[in-house]
Amino acid sequence: GQNIDQPTEMTATEGAIVQINCTYQTSGFNGLFWYQQHAGEAPTFLSYNVLDGLEEKGRFSSFLSRSKGYSYLLLKELQMKDSASYLCAVRSNYGGSQGNLIFGKGTKLSVKP
Amino acid sequence: DVKVTQSSRYLVKRTGEKVFLECVQDMDHENMFWYRQDPGLGLRLIYFSYDVKMKEKGDIPEGYSVSREKKERFSLILESASTNQTSMYLCASSLGGAGNEQFFGPGTRLTVL
Repeated sequence: GQNIDQPTEMTATEGAIVQINCTYQTSGFNGLFWYQQHAGEAPTFLSYNVLDGLEEKGRFSSFLSRSKGYSYLLLKELQMKDSASYLCAVRSNYGGSQGNLIFGKGTKLSVKP
Repeated sequence: DVKVTQSSRYLVKRTGEKVFLECVQDMDHENMFWYRQDPGLGLRLIYFSYDVKMKEKGDIPEGYSVSREKKERFSLILESASTNQTSMYLCASSLGGAGNEQFFGPGTRLTVL
């Protein structure tokens, strides 16, 4: 079966660091995406990992361990505007040659002053 | 900038009505997708298309159909709307290839009374 798990909600303080975890069990693996979604808006792309290790992009970093079926998104120097839902999505092997995305239910992050 | 537009932000329909949701992308993307997003359930794939006139069922196609007559346009059709189809509908597009992210439209919040 296909399963992606991430915490439902997290709270953190402005200026701090927060780590959002994602574990997955899917039929095949062709990469993992993180998206940010502000309330009432569309998801926007944050990061993509296909090989093990850390990908850094400014204040955001994403890590992948394929052998453990595990990823995390690290947000540094939190700002109030980072309050949003963060969606973990795995590209599986089904749905054409590229494979479709399977989304987790999202982690709602609240950043407090 | 990639732009994915959807015909309506908010839509209210009655049970049994035929509903058309339109999605247009302006970046010549091969792939287009329709999702619905519900609280506690996350994003679920309804239908997708990897080419003009091509369509494939996603995870929850029952009660829906799609049309892709032109590369830039992907329509979702609810043949006979029901109250359990009240949801946020999100369209997305992407280039072919496993590492390419999906770009989402702003969403249509559909209420079926």
